[in-house]
Amino acid sequence: AQRVTQPEKLLSVFKGAPVELKCNYSYSGSPELFWYVQYSRQRLQLLLRHISRESIKGFTADLNKGETSFHLKKPFAQEEDSAMYYCALSGTGSYIPTFGRGTSLIVHP
Amino acid sequence: EAEVAQSPRYKITEKSQAVAFWCDPISGHATLYWYRQILGQGPELLVQFQDESVVDDSQLPKDRFSAERLKGVDSTLKIQPAELGDSAMYLCASSLGTVNTEAFFGQGTRLTVV
Repeated sequence: AQRVTQPEKLLSVFKGAPVELKCNYSYSGSPELFWYVQYSRQRLQLLLRHISRESIKGFTADLNKGETSFHLKKPFAQEEDSAMYYCALSGTGSYIPTFGRGTSLIVHP
Repeated sequence: EAEVAQSPRYKITEKSQAVAFWCDPISGHATLYWYRQILGQGPELLVQFQDESVVDDSQLPKDRFSAERLKGVDSTLKIQPAELGDSAMYLCASSLGTVNTEAFFGQGTRLTVV
């Protein structure tokens, strides 16, 4: 079975501070990992995926298979980064993304 | 920009009544998902369609929930009878259908059962 764990329900930082949203997963095969974001009153949308190795809005995430983690990082948080962030996993050959419970990021001015 | 459309946005229904939600995926997307999101939790998959066929409905409470996608385009999720514990956000998403592609989400339907 595949599982995604986001240990923090809430992360509160000040503008300009570094941010790390934690995500750990459990999957026996080779996973595909995603980060989705939901801004206030907007729909859930893809932020980034590990396979593309992109930096989106200053965020990066590295897949660490040894630690089974896919933490989301940004060196300098901005107020507009305040949102709910969901880590998600798809197994190899699977179309079905499994989501974590989400972390609410609040960036204070 | 193409979006997944869902209706209604909000629905209040009484316990034991029937309720239905509608989803229109992005044109050309073969894969359609229905998720349920209880407050404070992440989305939980209820059912996945590939065209008109159900791929996975293992988490769908089939005694009261049903889903269909008759022509492989839009989809309907029904609950009959509704229970208090069904109060949640119901999200529809679609993707092109190839492995590990991005899922695009609708705005969701907020269901309140009273």
